[in-house]
Amino acid sequence: GQNIDQPTEMTATEGAIVQINCTYQTSGFNGLFWYQQHAGEAPTFLSYNVLDGLEEKGRFSSFLSRSKGYSYLLLKELQMKDSASYLCAGMDSNYQLIWGAGTKLIIKP
Amino acid sequence: GAVVSQHPSWVICKSGTSVKIECRSLDFQATTMFWYRQFPKQSLMLMATSNEGSKATYEQGVEKDKFLINHASLTLSTLTVTSAHPEDSSFYICSARDFSSSYNEQFFGPGTRLTVL
Repeated sequence: GQNIDQPTEMTATEGAIVQINCTYQTSGFNGLFWYQQHAGEAPTFLSYNVLDGLEEKGRFSSFLSRSKGYSYLLLKELQMKDSASYLCAGMDSNYQLIWGAGTKLIIKP
Repeated sequence: GAVVSQHPSWVICKSGTSVKIECRSLDFQATTMFWYRQFPKQSLMLMATSNEGSKATYEQGVEKDKFLINHASLTLSTLTVTSAHPEDSSFYICSARDFSSSYNEQFFGPGTRLTVL
């Protein structure tokens, strides 16, 4: 079956670095997405990985290892506005997104 | 990035009435749109995939006669919740795929919060 696993909740301190892990199993693979979702709002696209390695985009970076079925989202220089849920989603061979349950990130001052 | 609008943002209705939600891609053509439902503190749940000019594909457990989807044009898809009941109260989100994008990512509308009394 298809499955996405990520931690339910994480806590970090403002200014610090946090890594949110995601493991995936999909029928075929057309990439791994990370979305950010603030409470009461729709998800917004953060990153996409389809090849192994690290993609850096400002304070956010995303890593993929296809052989391990593993990805992580790295957030640096955390700001209070980064408090949100982070959704990991794998795209299967039919280009359908398989969603994880999301990781709620709590930032403390 | 591509913009998807959704209307209305929130709606309160009485049990038994029908509610229509519109999803529009504003600056790109979307041959495929998706409808999701999200209950509090839960992940997105795909309800159906809507293809322009053809019938929607519903996920298992989603009643197609209750959740009517129409994708009449390349920029508009509608979801009608028929005979709504309190258990249908949820956050409904649409998304559209921009195939001209190199990532094939889905762009989300802002969502519609439905409350059925």
